[in-house]
Amino acid sequence: DAKTTQPNSMESNEEEPVHLPCNHSTISGTDYIHWYRQLPSQGPEYVIHGLTSNVNNRMASLAIAEDRKSSTLILHRATLRDAAVYYCIPFWNNNDMRFGAGTRLTVKP
Amino acid sequence: NAGVTQTPKFRILKIGQSMTLQCTQDMNHNYMYWYRQDPGMGLKLIYYSVGAGITDKGEVPNGYNVSRSTTEDFPLRLELAAPSQTSVYFCASTGGRSHGYTFGSGTRLTVV
Repeated sequence: DAKTTQPNSMESNEEEPVHLPCNHSTISGTDYIHWYRQLPSQGPEYVIHGLTSNVNNRMASLAIAEDRKSSTLILHRATLRDAAVYYCIPFWNNNDMRFGAGTRLTVKP
Repeated sequence: NAGVTQTPKFRILKIGQSMTLQCTQDMNHNYMYWYRQDPGMGLKLIYYSVGAGITDKGEVPNGYNVSRSTTEDFPLRLELAAPSQTSVYFCASTGGRSHGYTFGSGTRLTVV
């Protein structure tokens, strides 16, 4: 499995952009990079995923480094509802999606 | 709404009792998973299934059993509950690694 490194915590102000980094230097060429978030007292929620190219959806954007050893989840305008733990998970095998500690995002009004 | 449904939402068990946590998905996903999350910790994979009739162990399978007789259902069985199994249990499903995973809302289990 690719090992991931994420900051333990980050803070943002409401309505400002947030860039959540993830290092996955041991990623293999076939690993997808998934991002999930978990709001307090809820199950994880899919945010976005990609393989090589940057990806956008209604929730966020995913910027993947050219060498794929890191990625950044971008929330364009943070809201209070975006306060959650964000997990970056590279994996290639559907049998093996494993969660690390993630980044706890605090959004200040 | 389409998704993953878990029942019950809460349960208190006595040591040595058994129970089954139910998980159903209506998205025709082949892949299904059980995770547990202890307080303040990340999720740990208990068991997974890649299709009806096929299951395998994850990181922390001891004390649990699963079955997958249909595509929709993936129940998790605790045979002899122990305090160490106090946790929140999440079921998830996906159509494949190029798709996102959908999680249920969880079952909060306390063993006393």
